[in-house]
Amino acid sequence: GAGVSQSPSNKVTEKGKDVELRCDPISGHTALYWYRQSLGQGLEFLIYFQGNSAPDKSGLPSDRFSAERTGGSVSTLTIQRTQQEDSAVYLCASSLAYGDGNQPQHFGDGTRLSIL
Amino acid sequence: AQSVSQHNHHVILSEAASLELGCNYSYGGTVNLFWYVQYPGQHLQLLLKYFSGDPLVKGIKGFEAEFIKSKFSFNLRKPSVQWSDTAEYFCAVNAGRGSTLGRLYFGRGTQLTVWP
Repeated sequence: GAGVSQSPSNKVTEKGKDVELRCDPISGHTALYWYRQSLGQGLEFLIYFQGNSAPDKSGLPSDRFSAERTGGSVSTLTIQRTQQEDSAVYLCASSLAYGDGNQPQHFGDGTRLSIL
Repeated sequence: AQSVSQHNHHVILSEAASLELGCNYSYGGTVNLFWYVQYPGQHLQLLLKYFSGDPLVKGIKGFEAEFIKSKFSFNLRKPSVQWSDTAEYFCAVNAGRGSTLGRLYFGRGTQLTVWP
């Protein structure tokens, strides 16, 4: 079946611009996660949704980062006034509703964001 | 906060050699443990997982991992590697309960290169 879909696959933008990254989870997965993968920091958690609510957004690095999820499906991660340190691969994952955190997360291919 | 350590940054082996990748985590409570693999140009894929029960778990492609609670370790093993195992391997942990239930903490990854 279809996996987690992310768009765009690549995004190059100028410093100071806003960007929107999109994630379409696996059908039926109520939990959705955003991570970012960068050379210096490895894989970092950003935010997690259960349905449309975000019980844990503590990983967002600054108030320039925000995310929403509507209809319990598609999510968008928005970065305002981008900075060069925002350059990274942004990964989305989804899973079935967790019981004890033991539902494996399924990852998309990521969006490679480059800030000039 | 939880943390995950992968001690080997880059491992180079010849085909048929045995593999062991180390993973240690810091968290005193109930944990769920995962190994993910990222083949070149592909997304992260689940290799195996441990939630409870037998501490020796078997995954895809002949990989296995052993959870040793007293050592806070979850090392990945394979008796005989193949060229196609060349990839980056990530150990990940999440808490079995609590406010950070949804998030995965990842190690920095180990790049495995297998020479034919």
